Amino acid sequence: DVKVTQSSRYLVKRTGEKVFLECVQDMDHENMFWYRQDPGLGLRLIYFSYDVKMKEKGDIPEGYSVSREKKERFSLILESASTNQTSMYLCASSEIQTGELFFGEGSRLTVL
Amino acid sequence: AQSVTQLGSHVSVSEGALVLLRCNYSSSVPPYLFWYVQYPNQGLQLLLKYTSAATLVKGINGFEAEFKKSETSFHLTKPSAHMSDAAEYFCAVTRMDSSYKLIFGSGTRLLVRP
Repeated sequence: DVKVTQSSRYLVKRTGEKVFLECVQDMDHENMFWYRQDPGLGLRLIYFSYDVKMKEKGDIPEGYSVSREKKERFSLILESASTNQTSMYLCASSEIQTGELFFGEGSRLTVL
Repeated sequence: AQSVTQLGSHVSVSEGALVLLRCNYSSSVPPYLFWYVQYPNQGLQLLLKYTSAATLVKGINGFEAEFKKSETSFHLTKPSAHMSDAAEYFCAVTRMDSSYKLIFGSGTRLLVRP
């Protein structure tokens, strides 16, 4: 069964802390994504990676960075967490031909 | 700018009734279109996708959607709702500038009354 695995389902952090969200996929997909999900806003793209060490900003990259050192792993980094980054974070990988996304179960981050 | 509009943030139906969730997109060229479902505290799962083949697309759990180019719509239907269908549903479309990326609607939460 194909899978996208996010390392932490629930995190609670304090303002100013550095936060790492890890994501691993086993489908050998080139493309990986980080989305943020907030009520009434749907999913918004934070960053996208189309190959190892390659990344592209999405619609809301401010306050975030990413790392992709290996094809199967894509990390989202909050250098200094703020309360407005409290949200559900979803990692996904995709097939090139159709853009179909395969999602992890999400990481719910609370910043106090 | 491209957009996806889902009409109704909440839809409530009785068990056994027809489910209709609306999705309209803004685009001049038929893209790839998707419906995803999200159950509580889980990620999104693909329900069905349109990839320029048949305009009526059948998905999992008895759902189907019809692509209507003239109406720029891709509404999701199911003839008879089940309690287990209660979830949030997202319509998505590939971007014009990159088929790698999707644009999502804001979601519709389906409530099923016993």
